[in-house]
Amino acid sequence: EPEVTQTPSHQVTQMGQEVILRCVPISNHLYFYWYRQILGQKVEFLVSFYNNEISEKSEIFDDQFSVERPDGSNFTLKIRSTKLEDSAMYFCASRGWTGNTIYFGEGSWLTVV
Amino acid sequence: DQQVKQNSPSLSVQEGRISILNCDYTNSMFDYFLWYKKYPAEGPTFLISISSIKDKNEDGRFTVFLNKSAKHLSLHIVPSQPGDSAVYFCAARDSGNTPLVFGKGTRLSVIA
Repeated sequence: EPEVTQTPSHQVTQMGQEVILRCVPISNHLYFYWYRQILGQKVEFLVSFYNNEISEKSEIFDDQFSVERPDGSNFTLKIRSTKLEDSAMYFCASRGWTGNTIYFGEGSWLTVV
Repeated sequence: DQQVKQNSPSLSVQEGRISILNCDYTNSMFDYFLWYKKYPAEGPTFLISISSIKDKNEDGRFTVFLNKSAKHLSLHIVPSQPGDSAVYFCAARDSGNTPLVFGKGTRLSVIA
């Protein structure tokens, strides 16, 4: 069964460092998303991406965050200068053209120290 | 602003009995509802969904009921199994490329 894959599964970084989280969405999907879940809290929307541009973003997704689809398969989330409060599980997700279901990856656990 | 609410943070059920997880929403524009199951340190796994034109959708042991007038949906799991123990998230979206809005989740524990 096709799945969304994410790397790394876990990353520890120092505050102020740049982090890139990578995702390979399901191959024929066209809509891409990043969500995050801070420990003990709910899953929060960060950004959606379609047709090579951001279609919607939340208040969390400030200037420190950016997304890119550098080639036909990868979808990346970059945090330019990490803060302690960026520590969370980051989930990539994708959706097909006709479907309503969004499929999630296993997540990348980011710890900022 | 909680558009999707899961008011029970946890639920314990005996193996073999029915688990009922509830979800309320406030946005009347939502027209598609999904349930996800999540284990610790893993991504949400899609379970079952329902569109606003239906009031029930069934898939094996899982049934989702939608009451549009009450803006309420529920997930029934019967019979419950120990492997069902996880956090269950209700999520909703309206039409178009709008993001899913998640509830806070309900932790289900199925006791053998």
